[in-house]
Amino acid sequence: NAGVTQTPKFQVLKTGQSMTLQCAQDMNHEYMSWYRQDPGMGLRLIHYSVGAGITDQGEVPNGYNVSRSTTEDFPLRLLSAAPSQTSVYFCASRAVWGGGNQPQHFGDGTRLSIL
Amino acid sequence: KNEVEQSPQNLTAQEGEFITINCSYSVGISALHWLQQHPGGGIVSLFMLSSGKKKHGRLIATINIQEKHSSLHITASHPRDSAVYICAATNFGNEKLTFGTGTRLTIIP
Repeated sequence: NAGVTQTPKFQVLKTGQSMTLQCAQDMNHEYMSWYRQDPGMGLRLIHYSVGAGITDQGEVPNGYNVSRSTTEDFPLRLLSAAPSQTSVYFCASRAVWGGGNQPQHFGDGTRLSIL
Repeated sequence: KNEVEQSPQNLTAQEGEFITINCSYSVGISALHWLQQHPGGGIVSLFMLSSGKKKHGRLIATINIQEKHSSLHITASHPRDSAVYICAATNFGNEKLTFGTGTRLTIIP
């Protein structure tokens, strides 16, 4: 049982490049989400999904796309990377039943630098 | 003003000391989470609570719903407890998490 797996762990991009951050979980969790963590700020929600085929925007969605074709995978796409997207990105999952009263499981994070 | 406020932002203590980290929130919540993040590492869920108190080893979390306040206590602190501790609230209604900015704890041997 690997939990939540994020790849890559580190990435450097040039402004304007695109890339996909991968996230997979093996706990059959319906709810998956992407956060970014910036110095001096709490984690902020980018996009989330309550099940396959369903996605919605979070607090800071601009510049990012997501899709959820399977329960296990929830990739985050940067369409045209900008220096403001330099951050540490975390994917998380939890069971939907019980609502927010379910523990969140986080991946190890992806440290992304945009030059 | 952030909906979830933590204090202190930084805390340095000697090994063995009793540690308290505080979290206040201004939103209606269905649950309060305490998370731990080691330097360069991932985020681990320590506690999730909606009332009363929970204990796991040397860690204790309490919540006072009326005062909208939660505390994380560490007894007999150890250098391996050095980490960032994050408080997060599950918003009642939309079930999304609002995070505090974290408390950086350093335990000196």
